[in-house]
Amino acid sequence: GENVEQHPSTLSVQEGDSAVIKCTYSDSASNYFPWYKQELGKRPQLIIDIRSNVGEKKDQRIAVTLNKTAKHFSLHITETQPEDSAVYFCAATSGYALNFGKGTSLLVTP
Amino acid sequence: GAVVSQHPSWVICKSGTSVKIECRSLDFQATTMFWYRQFPKQSLMLMATSNEGSKATYEQGVEKDKFLINHASLTLSTLTVTSAHPEDSSFYICSAMLRVQSDTQYFGPGTRLTVL
Repeated sequence: GENVEQHPSTLSVQEGDSAVIKCTYSDSASNYFPWYKQELGKRPQLIIDIRSNVGEKKDQRIAVTLNKTAKHFSLHITETQPEDSAVYFCAATSGYALNFGKGTSLLVTP
Repeated sequence: GAVVSQHPSWVICKSGTSVKIECRSLDFQATTMFWYRQFPKQSLMLMATSNEGSKATYEQGVEKDKFLINHASLTLSTLTVTSAHPEDSSFYICSAMLRVQSDTQYFGPGTRLTVL
């Protein structure tokens, strides 16, 4: 089955800096890669996603890049703000159940 | 659109009792729903895939007789934790797909289960 590795497990940045979270996957059939933000005790919220026919996607301060050859994808958050502090999960799927990474706890300090 | 609700949001029960959790798609029909479990400071682990009108597909290591799943309609899936024990205490989250193979999943708000 699919195995998704996520790094780092924790990340601390100063407000205004950029944050990068990286994930690798094992199943070459995976073609959909969403990123979720989860605040304590709440549901995961989809923040951006990318499909395998695209190499990069951007939505304001958030961008995702995908390298299918190397089987890795990354989340980039620019101009971080304290409200970006949360746990971020990457996931991969070939069109059915999501396989999640272990999560990255992001802390943005003022 | 694409709102998923869960009920209850939290529940405390005694060891040995059963607890039912409901997952509803409020404004769309979901042929497929998923049940996840999340322990503190851990990732979401898929427990089972629930398909309307058919038996659920359970992930390896998940006891189907302990975690009963019923997907009786296109807007409702239920998870019943039978004979709950303290180790079943967790955050249970459902998700629903807008349509088959659409990729995007919408998550419910989760149910915090505490077994005393």
